[in-house]
Amino acid sequence: DARVTQTPRHKVTEMGQEVTMRCQPILGHNTVFWYRQTMMQGLELLAYFRNRAPLDDSGMPKDRFSAEMPDATLATLKIQPSEPRDSAVYFCASGWWGGYNEQFFGPGTRLTVL
Amino acid sequence: ELKVEQNPLFLSMQEGKNYTIYCNYSTTSDRLYWYRQDPGKSLESLFVLLSNGAVKQEGRLMASLDTKARLSTLHITAAVHDLSATYFCAVALATYKYIFGTGTRLKVLA
Repeated sequence: DARVTQTPRHKVTEMGQEVTMRCQPILGHNTVFWYRQTMMQGLELLAYFRNRAPLDDSGMPKDRFSAEMPDATLATLKIQPSEPRDSAVYFCASGWWGGYNEQFFGPGTRLTVL
Repeated sequence: ELKVEQNPLFLSMQEGKNYTIYCNYSTTSDRLYWYRQDPGKSLESLFVLLSNGAVKQEGRLMASLDTKARLSTLHITAAVHDLSATYFCAVALATYKYIFGTGTRLKVLA
């Protein structure tokens, strides 16, 4: 049963600390998305990778957020320094570019910044 | 501005009743997706609608797409409590991007 996995599932940290979230896309998928979900803003696209190349990170606060894909099995989203307004659920999704372009979501990382 | 609007935002309905959730969008697209999200959980793909007139059905849920009207509907037949969740539509742009709707929170009362 192929699934997107994310770690950690929950993270509580203090303002100013670095946070790293990890995602393992479904094997064989060549697109990876990072989303942030909050009650106020809904689902926001933060970053998009295709074949490991970052094609769109326009949704990310550039000064504190960074996203990378060091290999085909790992995508990371880093926040440094973290702020209380970053508290949200962060979802990773993966898919196959060229087919239905359907996105499959991971379980999410619930981040709380105190 | 690109918009994807769902209505209603909240829906409380009795078991056994029928209802329709609407998803209107402001851009040209021929692909639309429906997702379900349970509280505290991830988004689960329900339907992929790929062309004008597409209709998909799974159990008590049926989704349709009218690209000319820029409208998709999610019809619920004889609702049961297990269908309580938040439902999102997402419109695909010409590239990779989805624009998600605001979500419809459905509560089915016994």
